[in-house]
Amino acid sequence: QQPVQSPQAVILREGEDAVINCSSSKALYSVHWYRQKHGEAPVFLMILLKGGEQKGHDKISASFNEKKQQSSLYLTASQLSYSGTYFCGTGANAGGTSYGKLTFGQGTILTVHP
Amino acid sequence: GAGVSQTPSNKVTEKGKYVELRCDPISGHTALYWYRQSLGQGPEFLIYFQGTGAADDSGLPNDRFFAVRPEGSVSTLKIQRTERGDSAVYLCASSLTGESPLHFGNGTRLTVT
Repeated sequence: QQPVQSPQAVILREGEDAVINCSSSKALYSVHWYRQKHGEAPVFLMILLKGGEQKGHDKISASFNEKKQQSSLYLTASQLSYSGTYFCGTGANAGGTSYGKLTFGQGTILTVHP
Repeated sequence: GAGVSQTPSNKVTEKGKYVELRCDPISGHTALYWYRQSLGQGPEFLIYFQGTGAADDSGLPNDRFFAVRPEGSVSTLKIQRTERGDSAVYLCASSLTGESPLHFGNGTRLTVT
C-alpha cells in the first residue's frame, strides 16, 4: 500500500517553516525521505528506522512515530534551494533486514519564494 | 566521484518494438535497483539486484520486462513488445549495501508512440 503524504503542495516565503507528513496503513520498519527537483534524480535526505528516532542535518529533520505509523519531515527557515518535490518511501522488511525496495508516496510539492 | 549513469537519457520507440535501458552504478555498490516513475507520481519499484542475482523482481509488471546484471556491475533493463503504457522515466539506483541510502541516476525517459 502506498503511503499517503500531506499536504500535496505547500508554498512558502524564504525563512518560513514547513512540515510534510507521511502516513502508512501498514506497520513501518523504515522511512526514507528524498527530494527531487524537476527533471532531476531524487536525492537522499535521510533514513529513519523503527524505534521512533528523530534525525536531522542542517535545518531539515524528521521524526518517526511507529505507533501512529507516521513520519514527518520538518523544514525550518526554508531556503530557495529547498524547492522541489519531497517523497517519503517506506522500506521493506525481509527477515529482519531492510533494503531499498521502497514504496513511495505521491509526493509533496514545496515551492519557496524569495 | 561519478554517480549513477543511465543511457540513453531519452528513448522514443514505436509500439511493439524492443528496447534496452542501461545503468552503470557507482563503483563498489553491490545493490542495484530499477524504478519506474510516471508523471506526477513517486517512483515505483521494479527489481532489486544484490550482486549478479535478482533478489526481488516482484515489481516487474509482466513478462515483457526483464533485467540482467551479469557481472554484478552494469545492469540492463529490457522491455519487449513495448506498449504506450510503458512510457515513463525509468530510474536506476545503487547503494553500497542493501540497507544503505539509494543513489539515483537521472533516468531514461521512455516514450512509446
